[in-house]
Amino acid sequence: SQTIHQWPATLVQPVGSPLSLECTVEGTSNPNLYWYRQAAGRGLQLLFYSVGIGQISSEVPQNLSASRPQDRQFILSSKKLLLSDSGFYLCAWIPPVPASGYTFGSGTRLTVV
Amino acid sequence: SQQGEEDPQALSIQEGENATMNCSYKTSINNLQWYRQNSGRGLVHLILIRSNEREKHSGRLRVTLDTSKKSSSLLITASRAADTASYFCATDRWTYTGANSKLTFGKGITLSVRP
Repeated sequence: SQTIHQWPATLVQPVGSPLSLECTVEGTSNPNLYWYRQAAGRGLQLLFYSVGIGQISSEVPQNLSASRPQDRQFILSSKKLLLSDSGFYLCAWIPPVPASGYTFGSGTRLTVV
Repeated sequence: SQQGEEDPQALSIQEGENATMNCSYKTSINNLQWYRQNSGRGLVHLILIRSNEREKHSGRLRVTLDTSKKSSSLLITASRAADTASYFCATDRWTYTGANSKLTFGKGITLSVRP
């Protein structure tokens, strides 16, 4: 069966520190992968998506970057965190030809202090 | 930018009542989806309705889609306290020949079901 793992669950980081959030998918090949951010009490904003290894599309200009070093691994990074990077980060996947909805990870609560 | 706009923003009902949530969107879509999010958790997919469908059922859920009005509704019948959560609509413009799948979410509706 397909599963998605996202870690860590919570993270408190000082301003100016680096960030690395990891997402891995099991039980599928060539998934489309997504990073969303959810501000408190708000909807989800698409940050990055990837349709294959090394293929990254950025949706909004920001302080973050994404990489896909392996087919089922998606990483969200920052060299220097800003206070405005705080939020709830969610990874998701779907098959290349969508047959149903997205499957989301459990999320990472990032607080930049 | 957010495509879907849900209303009401918050809904409080008694257990056993029906809950109706609405969503409007602005551009053409391939499908519309509804998700549920319990506090502090990831989103769970509830139901997907394609642009050529008008109504869909799944258990106690009923979704309608009116592409002429660019709107959708989610009905939860015989609500339970466990239905308390935030509900989001999301639209996708994916096509076989072009656009990649990218869900655009609304801000969500907070549903409280009182026991």
